[in-house]
Amino acid sequence: NAGVTQTPKFRVLKTGQSMTLLCAQDMNHEYMYWYRQDPGMGLRLIHYSVGEGTTAKGEVPDGYNVSRLKKQNFLLGLESAAPSQTSVYFCASSRGQGREKLFFGSGTQLSVL
Amino acid sequence: DQQVKQNSPSLSVQEGRISILNCDYTNSMFDYFLWYKKYPAEGPTFLISISSIKDKNEDGRFTVFLNKSAKHLSLHIVPSQPGDSAVYFCAASTSPRGNTPLVFGKGTRLSVIA
Repeated sequence: NAGVTQTPKFRVLKTGQSMTLLCAQDMNHEYMYWYRQDPGMGLRLIHYSVGEGTTAKGEVPDGYNVSRLKKQNFLLGLESAAPSQTSVYFCASSRGQGREKLFFGSGTQLSVL
Repeated sequence: DQQVKQNSPSLSVQEGRISILNCDYTNSMFDYFLWYKKYPAEGPTFLISISSIKDKNEDGRFTVFLNKSAKHLSLHIVPSQPGDSAVYFCAASTSPRGNTPLVFGKGTRLSVIA
């Protein structure tokens, strides 16, 4: 009964370091999303995917890259981390868009020093 | 420009009373709305939704009201319980299938005081 699993749960980076956040879903969902949550800013969409091999930019895509090589996985990469990328990152998946509800992972707390 | 606005960052309510969380939207193409609830250190979870063909949808203690002419929706929780203390996000979608992801508001933190 895993649903959406994010790894790691916590990470501390130094400015300029790179890292990849992994999201895995076991619900056979077509759509996957990466959001960031900052105080007073709500949930902001970084990138999303409408199916295996596809990616699209969201509201705040700069400084991030994504890949969806397998349907069940959606990776979020930071090539050169900046303090402004300190945030809580949430992955989500859905069967479709529009009226389909999103299922979220439990989040990754990232601090960039 | 924010398309979905939750103008109250926080709300405190006494246990047993009604909690009313508000959400306004600007895009007249939105016609499906969802509320998500988020506890600390957890991901948001779906709570309740409403289609624009309705003006009310109930699920237990939770009721969502939609006023299309005012582009306003509200979530009522009656009676409020301490376990309802969480951040509530309003989200909106175009239909029927939607080519764009949900648009979220900034959230309202509800504190239910025992």
